[in-house]
Amino acid sequence: GENVEQHPSTLSVQEGDSAVIKCTYSDSASNYFPWYKQELGKRPQLIIDIRSNVGEKKDQRIAVTLNKTAKHFSLHITETQPEDSAVYFCAATLVGNQFYFGTGTSLTVIP
Amino acid sequence: EADIYQTPRYLVIGTGKKITLECSQTMGHDKMYWYQQDPGMELHLIHYSYGVNSTEKGDLSSESTVSRIRTEHFPLTLESARPSHTSQYLCASSDPGTFYEQYFGPGTRLTVT
Repeated sequence: GENVEQHPSTLSVQEGDSAVIKCTYSDSASNYFPWYKQELGKRPQLIIDIRSNVGEKKDQRIAVTLNKTAKHFSLHITETQPEDSAVYFCAATLVGNQFYFGTGTSLTVIP
Repeated sequence: EADIYQTPRYLVIGTGKKITLECSQTMGHDKMYWYQQDPGMELHLIHYSYGVNSTEKGDLSSESTVSRIRTEHFPLTLESARPSHTSQYLCASSDPGTFYEQYFGPGTRLTVT
């Protein structure tokens, strides 16, 4: 099955700086890579996703890049704000199958 | 409003008791999932279902069972609760129309004493 590794496990940045979270996957058949944000005490929610036929996708301050050859994808948050503080999970899947989640990154944005 | 619901939200129960965690969704999704998650930690897949009368085991399926008699309902049963079951349980559902994006319920926080 698929194996997803996520780094770093914790990340602290100053407000306004950028944050980058990286994930690698093992199964070259995976073709869908979502990112979820989980605020303290709340449910995970999808913030951005990318399909294997796209190399980069951007939504305001959030972007995701995918390198299929190297089997890794990254989440980029620019101009971080305190409300970006949360746990972020990457996932990989072959569409229609179960999601394989990373172990999570706890992001703290320091005002 | 279409959503995914879980009851109870909090439960404290003694060791050895049988418990059922309820999950219902009004989004008409075929696929449903159960995850176990310690606060802020990794999501562990317990069981999943592709539709009515379909159930599959995940990584942490031992000691629990699920059923899928109706599309909207996917209950999780622990036959004999143990302190190691203390955790948060998240139910999720997904739909092919949105690339199978998983929508999560609010969770049930279980404490076994």
